[in-house]
Amino acid sequence: QKEVEQNSGPLSVPEGAIASLNCTYSDRVSQSFFWYRQYSGKSPELIMSIYSNGDKEDGRFTAQLNKASQYVSLLIRDSQPSDSATYLCAVSALTGGGNKLTFGTGTQLKVEL
Amino acid sequence: KAGVTQTPRYLIKTRGQQVTLSCSPISGHRSVSWYQQTPGQGLQFLFEYFSETQRNKGNFPGRFSGRQFSNSRSEMNVSTLELGDSALYLCASSPSGVETQYFGPGTRLLVL
Repeated sequence: QKEVEQNSGPLSVPEGAIASLNCTYSDRVSQSFFWYRQYSGKSPELIMSIYSNGDKEDGRFTAQLNKASQYVSLLIRDSQPSDSATYLCAVSALTGGGNKLTFGTGTQLKVEL
Repeated sequence: KAGVTQTPRYLIKTRGQQVTLSCSPISGHRSVSWYQQTPGQGLQFLFEYFSETQRNKGNFPGRFSGRQFSNSRSEMNVSTLELGDSALYLCASSPSGVETQYFGPGTRLLVL
């Protein structure tokens, strides 16, 4: 079982709709959770981080964390064609020497006109 | 503030050779992490350096090694290259740990 799992997609949504991206993780001691966006041919960029259960909103983005169910999600409201990218879920857990970040394989999002 | 820089951006090597990749973090950042990204495996953690010490290591063979200098610049070395080492190698810097990491543009390595 992979440590961090995401549906690879592609997830297609019409412009203006809500895109919902999901991620599950296996390590119960995971502490911090991140969403990165990666455009084709570019490097990942951090868009959201969440550390405690519940919702965290930042503009059109909302991250949701449920540690009991071991899932984290990202909602993108009013999706735009510029949101078309691969979204990577990353989970941080404390190891012997510090925190280690484990990434999912990403969900490809396509926002269609 | 200048971003994370990586050199070279592209590299072609043959099997059995070795390669050294370089990463310059954002000024003031002391943590540098290295990742390998391939279409099949996604983004996989190689190792993290903080204040010249390797603090974490992923599940890669000993052919993959790294170091960090006193100015926080980091190098990654891969010896005895294999075809499967062809990948995008990304480094990321942060002030103190894996939170709030900023990625460089990557080095694309092709092993023939």
